[in-house]
Amino acid sequence: SQKIEQNSEALNIQEGKTATLTCNYTNYSPAYLQWYRQDPGRGPVFLLLIRENEKEKRKERLKVTFDTTLKQSLFHITASQPADSATYLCARLDNYGQNFVFGPGTRLSVLP
Amino acid sequence: DTGVSQDPRHKITKRGQNVTFRCDPISEHNRLYWYRQTLGQGPEFLTYFQNEAQLEKSRLLSDRFSAERPKGSFSTLEIQRTEQGDSAMYLCASSLGSRAEKLFFGSGTQLSVL
Repeated sequence: SQKIEQNSEALNIQEGKTATLTCNYTNYSPAYLQWYRQDPGRGPVFLLLIRENEKEKRKERLKVTFDTTLKQSLFHITASQPADSATYLCARLDNYGQNFVFGPGTRLSVLP
Repeated sequence: DTGVSQDPRHKITKRGQNVTFRCDPISEHNRLYWYRQTLGQGPEFLTYFQNEAQLEKSRLLSDRFSAERPKGSFSTLEIQRTEQGDSAMYLCASSLGSRAEKLFFGSGTQLSVL
């Protein structure tokens, strides 16, 4: 079955620095990977999708990469701000392409 | 507000009681998903509907769980004879089309079974 791992349960960084979160997957490469943000007590909010044939995608201060050789996606937040503090989830489609498998998430804290 | 809405936001119940949650998806979305999330974990898939048809159920969905989407609009998730292990956040999400590329989540229903 498909599995998603995210590098660490929690990551603390200083305001202004770049946060880098890692997502590793097993088995075959999915057609795309997604990244979501989740605040405490709320549902996840979609941020970005990166396709297998895209090496990199950017949206404002966010950048996502997809390396099918390493079976890994990296999620970067540049010039991080305390408001970026949240849990970030990586997701992929399951074996049948019908629903999404989520990683455990990485809880990011940006310290002022 | 045209997002996904879930009701109630919080539910406290005693072990053995039945509970029902409701989800109203974004109106034009034909797909509706239920996920369960426990502290420190990502959402785990329970079931999904395309219109009114329930197309897939996870093995996490025991016989005590049932979900419906009678007219292809709102959905309900019922848990019978609740157990303490059912305590979790129950999330509903919706998407448009048969090849959904992103999910829109509601704020969830936090269930506590005492």
